[in-house]
Amino acid sequence: DTAVSQTPKYLVTQMGNDKSIKCEQNLGHDTMYWYKQDSKKFLKIMFSYNNKELIINETVPNRFSPKSPDKAHLNLHINSLELGDSAVYFCASSFIPPDTQYFGPGTRLTVL
Amino acid sequence: AQKVTQAQTEISVVEKEDVTLDCVYETRDTTYYLFWYKQPPSGELVFLIRRNSFDEQNEISGRYSWNFQKSTSSFNFTITASQVVDSAVYFCALSEASTGGFKTIFGAGTRLFVKA
Repeated sequence: DTAVSQTPKYLVTQMGNDKSIKCEQNLGHDTMYWYKQDSKKFLKIMFSYNNKELIINETVPNRFSPKSPDKAHLNLHINSLELGDSAVYFCASSFIPPDTQYFGPGTRLTVL
Repeated sequence: AQKVTQAQTEISVVEKEDVTLDCVYETRDTTYYLFWYKQPPSGELVFLIRRNSFDEQNEISGRYSWNFQKSTSSFNFTITASQVVDSAVYFCALSEASTGGFKTIFGAGTRLFVKA
C-alpha cells in the first residue's frame, strides 16, 4: 500500500563510514527526488531523476551519489560520512514536474 | 532566482481560533506553481494543495482555505476553527522552470502550535 517507501527509517553511524538509503515508489511516477531536511527543518532539494536520468543536481558534495536502477527506485549512497551530514533525508516522486511531489517517511541519519 | 518567504517562524493559538499562515514568493516566470505541505510531529510531509500561476481562484477544503494573490505575490493559508491535530510545521513551496526542468524551492516553514 505504501506509495513512497524508504529504508532504513533510522541510521546511526560513525564519521568516515559509507552508507546507503533506498527509496521505492509504486505510484507509477516518472520523476524521483532526494531532499535534505536539516535540524532547523529547512528542506532543500539535492537531486532529481526522470526515468533514470539525472536532471537536477544541486551543489551537493561528490560524496553523495544517487543511483536509479529503474524509474521506481532511487537510492542515495553517501561516502565518507561527516558530522554535517546528520539530517533527515526525504525521497519524493511525481509525474513530470511540476506535478505534485509525494514524499516518503524520511530517513533520520545521525553521524557520530 | 526563486525565493519563498514564510516570515512567521512559530505561531501559537488556542483551539477553535482561526489562524493564517503567510507565504510570499519571488519569481521572474509567468508560469509557476505553488504548494502547501504539512509536516506533523510524526515527521512525514503531507501534500495539501497545488495551485498554478494562471489560477487565482481561492480554494476552500473543509477548515482549510487558501488565498492566492498575484498582485502581492502571496499564497496564504488559513485554518478555521483550529484543532490540536493541526499542530505541525507548514511549508509553502514554489516550483518554476529551471535548467533541466522544474525546480521546487521550499520556504523555511511555520511551526503552528494549537493548544487545547
